[in-house]
Amino acid sequence: AQKITQTQPGMFVQEKEAVTLDCTYDTSDQSYGLFWYKQPSSGEMIFLIYQGSYDEQNATEGRYSLNFQKARKSANLVISASQLGDSAMYFCAIRGGATNKLIFGTGTLLAVQP
Amino acid sequence: NAGVTQTPKFQVLKTGQSMTLQCAQDMNHEYMSWYRQDPGMGLRLIHYSVGAGITDQGEVPNGYNVSRSTTEDFPLRLLSAAPSQTSVYFCASSAPGQHYEQYFGPGTRLTVT
Repeated sequence: AQKITQTQPGMFVQEKEAVTLDCTYDTSDQSYGLFWYKQPSSGEMIFLIYQGSYDEQNATEGRYSLNFQKARKSANLVISASQLGDSAMYFCAIRGGATNKLIFGTGTLLAVQP
Repeated sequence: NAGVTQTPKFQVLKTGQSMTLQCAQDMNHEYMSWYRQDPGMGLRLIHYSVGAGITDQGEVPNGYNVSRSTTEDFPLRLLSAAPSQTSVYFCASSAPGQHYEQYFGPGTRLTVT
């Protein structure tokens, strides 16, 4: 069985600063993928970044980067130069196995302060 | 492309009523899934399908039925609604070409009284 743990229910960050959202995972699969999604107050789910278990380099997408530490089973999201529009709920998720099921964590609510 | 569409956007049911939440995608994705989102619980997988005619249970399947007669459509049926099924329901689809990134519909907010 796969599991995602997000231990930070809420985070505050000042505008223009960087913030790290924690995510740890548990899986018995050798091949798996890790995702981060953003959910603003409007409710839609927005894909941010993906990291494959065999990817040797950390994934980056603009201001988003994923700090992937495979031995520690962690996949933290780093947002650089925070903007007010980054205020949202952030979900970490894992996909693995032959069934392609996506399992989500409970999320972290990020508030960016001016 | 419309992407993933869901209808209705809002629905109020009385306990014991049945209804079907509709989901359609126009991206020819093989994989489709249904999630429910409750406060503080994140998204939990209800049912999923890896192709037309093939469905399987997720984490919280009880009280829900699905079928997949076409690639495009993946309806979710509530057989006898209960207050515990009050939630926001998301449908998603994905394909192998993009790491199986899931594209989400806008969601259906369901209230069961």
